[in-house]
Amino acid sequence: AQSVTQLGSHVSVSEGALVLLRCNYSSSVPPYLFWYVQYPNQGLQLLLKYTTGATLVKGINGFEAEFKKSETSFHLTKPSAHMSDAAEYFCAVRRGSARQLTFGSGTQLTVLP
Amino acid sequence: DTGVSQDPRHKITKRGQNVTFRCDPISEHNRLYWYRQTLGQGPEFLTYFQNEAQLEKSRLLSDRFSAERPKGSFSTLEIQRTEQGDSAMYLCASSSRRDSPQISSYNEQFFGPGTRLTVL
Repeated sequence: AQSVTQLGSHVSVSEGALVLLRCNYSSSVPPYLFWYVQYPNQGLQLLLKYTTGATLVKGINGFEAEFKKSETSFHLTKPSAHMSDAAEYFCAVRRGSARQLTFGSGTQLTVLP
Repeated sequence: DTGVSQDPRHKITKRGQNVTFRCDPISEHNRLYWYRQTLGQGPEFLTYFQNEAQLEKSRLLSDRFSAERPKGSFSTLEIQRTEQGDSAMYLCASSSRRDSPQISSYNEQFFGPGTRLTVL
Protein backbone atom coordinates (compact mmCIF):
# COMPACT_ATOMS: atom_id res chain seq x y z
CA ALA A 1 0.00 0.00 0.00
CA GLN A 2 1.10 3.52 -0.52
CA SER A 3 0.05 6.79 1.03
CA VAL A 4 0.95 10.44 0.99
CA THR A 5 1.00 12.79 3.96
CA GLN A 6 1.10 16.53 3.54
CA LEU A 7 1.97 18.30 6.75
CA GLY A 8 0.00 21.48 7.17
CA SER A 9 -3.33 21.92 5.44
CA HIS A 10 -2.79 25.68 5.36
CA VAL A 11 0.48 27.57 4.94
CA SER A 12 0.83 31.35 4.87
CA VAL A 13 3.93 33.19 3.73
CA SER A 14 4.72 36.80 2.97
CA GLU A 15 5.37 37.84 -0.60
CA GLY A 16 9.07 37.34 -1.29
CA ALA A 17 9.52 34.79 1.49
CA LEU A 18 10.56 31.17 1.12
CA VAL A 19 7.82 28.67 0.35
CA LEU A 20 8.17 25.20 1.90
CA LEU A 21 5.39 22.65 1.50
CA ARG A 22 6.02 19.28 3.08
CA CYS A 23 5.24 15.86 1.68
CA ASN A 24 6.09 12.44 3.06
CA TYR A 25 5.18 9.19 1.37
CA SER A 26 5.09 5.53 2.17
CA SER A 27 5.68 3.03 -0.56
CA SER A 28 6.87 -0.52 -0.63
CA VAL A 29 8.69 0.05 -3.90
CA PRO A 30 10.53 3.05 -5.34
CA PRO A 31 7.81 5.51 -6.23
CA TYR A 32 7.28 8.14 -8.82
CA LEU A 33 6.51 11.44 -7.06
CA PHE A 34 4.65 14.52 -8.23
CA TRP A 35 3.50 17.94 -7.18
CA TYR A 36 0.34 19.40 -8.70
CA VAL A 37 -1.19 22.86 -8.25
CA GLN A 38 -4.90 23.62 -8.37
CA TYR A 39 -6.32 27.11 -8.78
CA PRO A 40 -9.96 27.76 -7.85
CA ASN A 41 -12.44 26.13 -10.21
CA GLN A 42 -9.67 24.66 -12.33
CA GLY A 43 -8.15 21.25 -12.84
CA LEU A 44 -4.79 20.15 -11.56
CA GLN A 45 -1.60 21.27 -13.28
CA LEU A 46 1.66 19.37 -12.96
CA LEU A 47 4.40 21.44 -11.31
CA LEU A 48 7.16 18.83 -11.33
CA LYS A 49 7.84 15.13 -11.08
CA TYR A 50 10.52 12.71 -9.91
CA THR A 51 10.85 9.40 -11.70
CA THR A 52 14.52 8.42 -11.76
CA GLY A 53 17.90 10.12 -11.85
CA ALA A 54 18.70 13.45 -10.21
CA THR A 55 16.97 13.81 -6.88
CA LEU A 56 16.61 17.60 -7.11
CA VAL A 57 13.86 18.30 -9.57
CA LYS A 58 13.06 21.70 -11.03
CA GLY A 59 9.57 22.53 -12.16
CA ILE A 60 7.56 25.38 -13.54
CA ASN A 61 7.09 28.80 -11.95
CA GLY A 62 10.37 28.57 -10.01
CA PHE A 63 9.37 25.59 -7.87
CA GLU A 64 11.67 22.69 -7.08
CA ALA A 65 11.56 19.57 -4.94
CA GLU A 66 14.10 17.14 -3.60
CA PHE A 67 13.55 13.41 -3.32
CA LYS A 68 15.10 12.13 -0.08
CA LYS A 69 14.75 8.38 0.07
CA SER A 70 16.16 8.10 3.60
CA GLU A 71 13.51 10.51 4.87
CA THR A 72 10.76 9.32 2.48
CA SER A 73 10.15 12.97 1.70
CA PHE A 74 9.55 15.10 -1.37
CA HIS A 75 9.19 18.65 -0.07
CA LEU A 76 8.32 21.49 -2.45
CA THR A 77 10.17 24.78 -2.25
CA LYS A 78 10.33 28.15 -3.93
CA PRO A 79 12.88 30.79 -2.87
CA SER A 80 10.57 33.78 -3.20
CA ALA A 81 6.79 33.64 -3.06
CA HIS A 82 4.66 35.60 -5.49
CA MET A 83 1.04 36.57 -5.05
CA SER A 84 0.16 34.39 -8.04
CA ASP A 85 1.43 31.31 -6.16
CA ALA A 86 -1.64 31.34 -3.93
CA ALA A 87 -3.39 28.06 -4.68
CA GLU A 88 -3.82 24.53 -3.39
CA TYR A 89 -0.90 22.17 -3.81
CA PHE A 90 -1.10 18.40 -3.93
CA CYS A 91 1.66 15.87 -3.57
CA ALA A 92 1.05 12.54 -5.32
CA VAL A 93 2.75 9.18 -5.66
CA ARG A 94 2.53 6.49 -8.26
CA ARG A 95 3.87 3.01 -7.69
CA GLY A 96 5.83 1.79 -10.67
CA SER A 97 3.36 -0.86 -11.79
CA ALA A 98 0.22 1.15 -11.11
CA ARG A 99 -1.35 3.68 -13.41
CA GLN A 100 -3.33 5.77 -10.96
CA LEU A 101 -2.01 8.50 -8.71
CA THR A 102 -2.47 8.55 -4.95
CA PHE A 103 -2.80 12.11 -3.70
CA GLY A 104 -2.22 13.77 -0.37
CA SER A 105 -4.96 15.87 1.17
CA GLY A 106 -3.49 19.11 -0.10
CA THR A 107 -1.95 22.28 1.30
CA GLN A 108 -3.61 25.64 0.74
CA LEU A 109 -0.93 28.29 0.23
CA THR A 110 -1.77 31.88 1.07
CA VAL A 111 0.64 34.65 0.07
CA LEU A 112 0.37 37.80 2.16
CA PRO A 113 1.25 41.20 0.71
CA ASP B 1 -6.49 20.78 -29.07
CA THR B 2 -6.81 22.80 -25.89
CA GLY B 3 -6.62 20.00 -23.37
CA VAL B 4 -9.01 17.77 -21.48
CA SER B 5 -12.58 19.03 -21.43
CA GLN B 6 -15.45 18.01 -19.17
CA ASP B 7 -19.15 18.63 -19.44
CA PRO B 8 -21.07 19.88 -17.59
CA ARG B 9 -18.92 21.99 -15.30
CA HIS B 10 -21.63 22.08 -12.64
CA LYS B 11 -24.56 19.77 -11.95
CA ILE B 12 -27.19 20.12 -9.26
CA THR B 13 -29.55 17.22 -8.83
CA LYS B 14 -31.98 15.79 -6.33
CA ARG B 15 -31.26 12.66 -4.36
CA GLY B 16 -32.29 9.58 -6.27
CA GLN B 17 -31.81 11.04 -9.74
CA ASN B 18 -29.33 9.71 -12.29
CA VAL B 19 -26.56 11.91 -13.65
CA THR B 20 -24.06 11.47 -16.48
CA PHE B 21 -20.80 13.32 -17.01
CA ARG B 22 -18.69 13.45 -20.12
CA CYS B 23 -14.93 13.72 -20.55
CA ASP B 24 -13.10 14.45 -23.79
CA PRO B 25 -9.40 13.64 -23.45
CA ILE B 26 -6.53 15.11 -25.42
CA SER B 27 -6.97 13.60 -28.87
CA GLU B 28 -3.84 11.46 -29.09
CA HIS B 29 -4.08 10.14 -25.54
CA ASN B 30 -5.15 6.54 -25.19
CA ARG B 31 -5.34 6.42 -21.39
CA LEU B 32 -8.18 8.03 -19.48
CA TYR B 33 -8.74 8.28 -15.72
CA TRP B 34 -11.60 9.34 -13.47
CA TYR B 35 -10.97 10.74 -9.99
CA ARG B 36 -13.29 12.10 -7.30
CA GLN B 37 -12.34 15.03 -5.09
CA THR B 38 -14.34 15.92 -2.00
CA LEU B 39 -14.01 19.19 -0.13
CA GLY B 40 -10.69 19.51 1.65
CA GLN B 41 -9.28 16.31 0.22
CA GLY B 42 -7.04 15.30 -2.63
CA PRO B 43 -8.41 13.49 -5.66
CA GLU B 44 -9.17 9.78 -5.22
CA PHE B 45 -8.84 7.33 -8.08
CA LEU B 46 -12.07 5.82 -9.43
CA THR B 47 -11.26 4.04 -12.68
CA TYR B 48 -8.89 3.85 -15.63
CA PHE B 49 -9.24 3.05 -19.34
CA GLN B 50 -6.68 2.13 -21.92
CA ASN B 51 -8.37 2.74 -25.25
CA GLU B 52 -11.88 1.32 -24.78
CA ALA B 53 -10.92 -1.24 -22.14
CA GLN B 54 -11.65 -0.47 -18.50
CA LEU B 55 -8.57 -1.94 -16.86
CA GLU B 56 -8.93 -0.96 -13.23
CA LYS B 57 -11.69 0.09 -10.84
CA SER B 58 -11.39 1.40 -7.32
CA ARG B 59 -13.42 0.05 -4.41
CA LEU B 60 -14.90 3.57 -4.33
CA LEU B 61 -16.74 2.77 -7.55
CA SER B 62 -19.91 1.26 -6.14
CA ASP B 63 -22.53 -0.57 -8.18
CA ARG B 64 -24.31 2.75 -8.73
CA PHE B 65 -21.36 4.04 -10.71
CA SER B 66 -20.57 3.02 -14.26
CA ALA B 67 -18.02 4.36 -16.69
CA GLU B 68 -17.66 3.74 -20.39
CA ARG B 69 -15.34 4.66 -23.19
CA PRO B 70 -17.04 3.01 -26.14
CA LYS B 71 -14.80 4.11 -28.98
CA GLY B 72 -11.63 4.76 -27.06
CA SER B 73 -12.12 8.51 -27.30
CA PHE B 74 -14.54 10.31 -24.97
CA SER B 75 -15.73 8.73 -21.74
CA THR B 76 -18.89 8.97 -19.67
CA LEU B 77 -19.36 8.48 -15.95
CA GLU B 78 -22.90 7.73 -14.80
CA ILE B 79 -24.14 7.75 -11.24
CA GLN B 80 -27.48 6.11 -10.64
CA ARG B 81 -29.78 6.89 -7.69
CA THR B 82 -27.54 9.69 -6.47
CA GLU B 83 -26.96 10.16 -2.76
CA GLN B 84 -25.86 13.24 -0.87
CA GLY B 85 -22.51 11.57 -0.27
CA ASP B 86 -21.89 11.63 -4.02
CA SER B 87 -21.50 15.41 -3.90
CA ALA B 88 -17.95 16.07 -5.06
CA MET B 89 -15.80 17.30 -7.91
CA TYR B 90 -15.34 14.60 -10.55
CA LEU B 91 -12.06 14.97 -12.39
CA CYS B 92 -10.99 13.37 -15.63
CA ALA B 93 -7.39 13.02 -16.77
CA SER B 94 -5.70 11.59 -19.83
CA SER B 95 -2.21 10.46 -20.75
CA SER B 96 -0.38 8.89 -23.64
CA ARG B 97 1.65 5.73 -23.76
CA ARG B 98 5.26 5.65 -24.79
CA ASP B 99 6.69 2.37 -25.93
CA SER B 100 10.42 3.00 -25.50
CA PRO B 101 11.88 0.69 -22.84
CA GLN B 102 14.63 3.21 -22.13
CA ILE B 103 12.23 5.85 -20.94
CA SER B 104 10.30 5.83 -17.71
CA SER B 105 6.90 4.39 -18.33
CA TYR B 106 5.19 7.29 -16.62
CA ASN B 107 3.42 9.74 -18.84
CA GLU B 108 2.01 12.92 -17.39
CA GLN B 109 -1.67 12.89 -16.59
CA PHE B 110 -3.37 16.03 -17.88
CA PHE B 111 -6.43 16.97 -15.89
CA GLY B 112 -9.66 18.54 -17.01
CA PRO B 113 -11.43 21.34 -15.08
CA GLY B 114 -13.80 18.89 -13.39
CA THR B 115 -17.55 18.56 -12.97
CA ARG B 116 -18.86 19.73 -9.62
CA LEU B 117 -21.84 17.63 -8.52
CA THR B 118 -24.21 18.81 -5.80
CA VAL B 119 -26.86 16.36 -4.62
CA LEU B 120 -29.69 17.99 -2.70
